[in-house]
Amino acid sequence: AQTVTQSQPEMSVQEAETVTLSCTYDTSESNYYLFWYKQPPSRQMILVIRQEAYKQQNATENRFSVNFQKAAKSFSLKISDSQLGDTAMYFCAFVPMNRDDKIIFGKGTRLHILP
Amino acid sequence: NAGVMQNPRHLVRRRGQEARLRCSPVKGHSHVYWYRQLPEEGLKFMVYLQKENIIDESGMPKERFSAEFPKEGPSILRIQQVVRGDSAAYFCASSQVTTGEGTEAFFGQGTRLTVV
Repeated sequence: AQTVTQSQPEMSVQEAETVTLSCTYDTSESNYYLFWYKQPPSRQMILVIRQEAYKQQNATENRFSVNFQKAAKSFSLKISDSQLGDTAMYFCAFVPMNRDDKIIFGKGTRLHILP
Repeated sequence: NAGVMQNPRHLVRRRGQEARLRCSPVKGHSHVYWYRQLPEEGLKFMVYLQKENIIDESGMPKERFSAEFPKEGPSILRIQQVVRGDSAAYFCASSQVTTGEGTEAFFGQGTRLTVV
């Protein structure tokens, strides 16, 4: 069975700093997608970034980037120049590729950006 | 992303009543997923449906819970004889094809069910 583990329940950083959220996963699949979702207080789930496992290049989206280490089954999210609006729960997620399957989520990291 | 509509946003039920949660997917999406989120927890998969078919219900309790996604109309998650432990936020997501094909899943804002 696939599992996703986020070892940091809560983190706080000052505005404008860089922060890294950790995620590890366990799977026997060789092809899959990894995601980071953001859930602000509004509860809306927002896709932040996606990584295809077959791609060696780390995905980036503006201030958000990932460090994908396939052999180590690690998928961390780096937020640069953090902003107050980045305050939210962040969920790491996994889905096998090319199959009818569901997205599996970690338990989340609550991130506070301090003014 | 705002295209997935869930209603109601908040639902209060007494123990023993029935709860019906509705999800209208993004127009043109034929895949719907239901997740449950307990306080301070991640999203736990419940059921995956395509139009008129249940593909995977491995996360759904065997009793009291059912889900459907009819040819016409929204997907419905139904909880019969609710108990306090059913109190949670229930999220619906939809995608154009299966998420395993890399398509993005769009989430609704959830229904917060409170059982009193």
